[in-house]
Amino acid sequence: GAVVSQHPSWVICKSGTSVKIECRSLDFQATTMFWYRQFPKQSLMLMATSNEGSKATYEQGVEKDKFLINHASLTLSTLTVTSAHPEDSSFYICSVNRGDYTFGSGTRLTVV
Amino acid sequence: GENVEQHPSTLSVQEGDSAVIKCTYSDSASNYFPWYKQELGKRPQLIIDIRSNVGEKKDQRIAVTLNKTAKHFSLHITETQPEDSAVYFCAASIQGGSYIPTFGRGTSLIVHP
Repeated sequence: GAVVSQHPSWVICKSGTSVKIECRSLDFQATTMFWYRQFPKQSLMLMATSNEGSKATYEQGVEKDKFLINHASLTLSTLTVTSAHPEDSSFYICSVNRGDYTFGSGTRLTVV
Repeated sequence: GENVEQHPSTLSVQEGDSAVIKCTYSDSASNYFPWYKQELGKRPQLIIDIRSNVGEKKDQRIAVTLNKTAKHFSLHITETQPEDSAVYFCAASIQGGSYIPTFGRGTSLIVHP
């Protein structure tokens, strides 16, 4: 599998602010990356597919204006949670497909 | 689309016992079935996978079985240890291209010393 780095590992922000999460594929040029959200004791919910050089593909029910995804290079995808609210608090994980599916280390977002 | 059901949601065993987690899938085109282990606050990590051209695969204390006809697959952990305690997710997908696996809801395995 690929080596995937995600940053930050945790972040606390105030309501109304924006938070950017980075996902890097360290040893593999990924034309697509995937962003998941995971609530406590629940499964992984696919939010969107990040496409290098083009628009992301969002899953039904995910607000694209709230969760901005940018995939400007083959090794970096970013997820920006805009105007964050407490209900956006969650564990966000990216992943890369290189034969098998490798996950980043995850970002614990807490909005206060 | 694919639908993956996973049972049980919680499994509690004594150290040394075996643990079995079962999943069913709906799309007969699915041909790749990975299992992930997620410890608290950490990323899911692939522990074993199976492709549709085999019925069973084993790696030390972990084994996975697949019944294509019945569309179900299972994870078997023998001689469980406290460090096996985690949440386990099954998934089903069609491998090739930018496949996106469908995950089960997860099973919280607790191994009591």
